[in-house]
Amino acid sequence: DIQMTQSPSTLSASVGDRVTITCRASQSISKWLAWYQQKPGKAPKLLIYKASSLESGVPSRFSGSGSGTEFTLTISSLQPDDLATYYCQQYDKYPYTFGQGTKLEIK
Amino acid sequence: QITLKESGPTQVKPTQTLTLTCTFSGFSLTTHGVGVGWIRQPPGMALEWLALIYGDDDKPYSPSLRSRLTITKDTSRNQVVLTMTNMDPVDTATYYCVHLMYGDRSFDYWGQGILVTVSS
Repeated sequence: DIQMTQSPSTLSASVGDRVTITCRASQSISKWLAWYQQKPGKAPKLLIYKASSLESGVPSRFSGSGSGTEFTLTISSLQPDDLATYYCQQYDKYPYTFGQGTKLEIK
Repeated sequence: QITLKESGPTQVKPTQTLTLTCTFSGFSLTTHGVGVGWIRQPPGMALEWLALIYGDDDKPYSPSLRSRLTITKDTSRNQVVLTMTNMDPVDTATYYCVHLMYGDRSFDYWGQGILVTVSS
């Protein structure tokens, strides 16, 4: 199985801050990486696919980059509505696997 | 507009078999590359992919749960069914039904989820 490791596990930042979350794959997954946002009590929502493509309707302050084994999710200017847990997921090979999540808290 | 909704029991006893149904609309499971799958999330924990089924009846499973899982489809009723045998309290989780297009946007649509508790 491909292991996905996110860092940090928890992140506290202020409104307006630039926030970066990192995801590492245990082997190369090319561009086959997605990022999801999960708010408390809700289903996850797709933000980014193919490492850097923004899902329709997602604010442009979200962006993704990377390829191979190293990926990042960036929020350019943190908003109160961004309070959530963020997950990366590889879909290069079965079994599809998720990172352990990054909980984003607003200071 | 694509929608998916999970249904089934919210409580099962240890050793019982869980049967969950995903009823979807807005797409056809006969379309090439379209898939419907299941993902679960224990309370306070991370997401875990379980299984997928495609229109050509390809059915990849999580290897760690393969012996306990069966996924089937009924294209005429727009439903996908997941069965999981020999349930255990560690299987307590919210189970999500998801849509994907192979080689595209991964899990782009999600159901609301159903919390299944395993307890005697």
